[in-house]
Amino acid sequence: ETGVTQTPRHLVMGMTNKKSLKCEQHLGHNAMYWYKQSAKKPLELMFVYSLEERVENNSVPSRFSPECPNSSHLFLHLHTLQPEDSALYLCASSQAGFQPQHFGDGTRLSIL
Amino acid sequence: AQKVTQAQTEISVVEKEDVTLDCVYETRDTTYYLFWYKQPPSGELVFLIRRNSFDEQNEISGRYSWNFQKSTSSFNFTITASQVVDSAVYFCALNSGGSNYKLTFGKGTLLTVNP
Repeated sequence: ETGVTQTPRHLVMGMTNKKSLKCEQHLGHNAMYWYKQSAKKPLELMFVYSLEERVENNSVPSRFSPECPNSSHLFLHLHTLQPEDSALYLCASSQAGFQPQHFGDGTRLSIL
Repeated sequence: AQKVTQAQTEISVVEKEDVTLDCVYETRDTTYYLFWYKQPPSGELVFLIRRNSFDEQNEISGRYSWNFQKSTSSFNFTITASQVVDSAVYFCALNSGGSNYKLTFGKGTLLTVNP
């Protein structure tokens, strides 16, 4: 299995829908991350969980809600999104306090 | 504050040419880490290298080499004898400032290797 798996790979949703992105890591890491990658912009760190506790939240709107039930799984719950939220959402994992981060393939999200 | 600048937005070369991707960083910390990642069209960021601030030795891995120069705050990446499979976006990143979790990324350089 690949190290970091993200599902779905593609998601199209309306602004009033609720959906969730899923990330699973098989590397034995204990820190997990959500990033947003928009066209022509640097990767933006959204959330970091270490040992299942949120340690970073970079002023992300409340319409994005993360959940980390255990060290291998990370979710991003989405509701009432805006068109500008269309982007590639990348999940990563690492050993807490150490780099490098290992990334998944991402979920390409399109908001209609 | 930390900052990473990749001045080259796009580079296009012909197969077998050598190509260098530039990365300039800014940090006030004396301890920091620098990284290069490759992002092929599939989307996944692939880790290539990590270098800490106390190790200025250049590194070579096959056709890839990295030149770290603290005097110019640069961490450049050279691909020798480029191949079509090298086509991707390449990101330089910096970890410093006391946060073990935060990576500051450059905007990336799109490398296209033509046959």
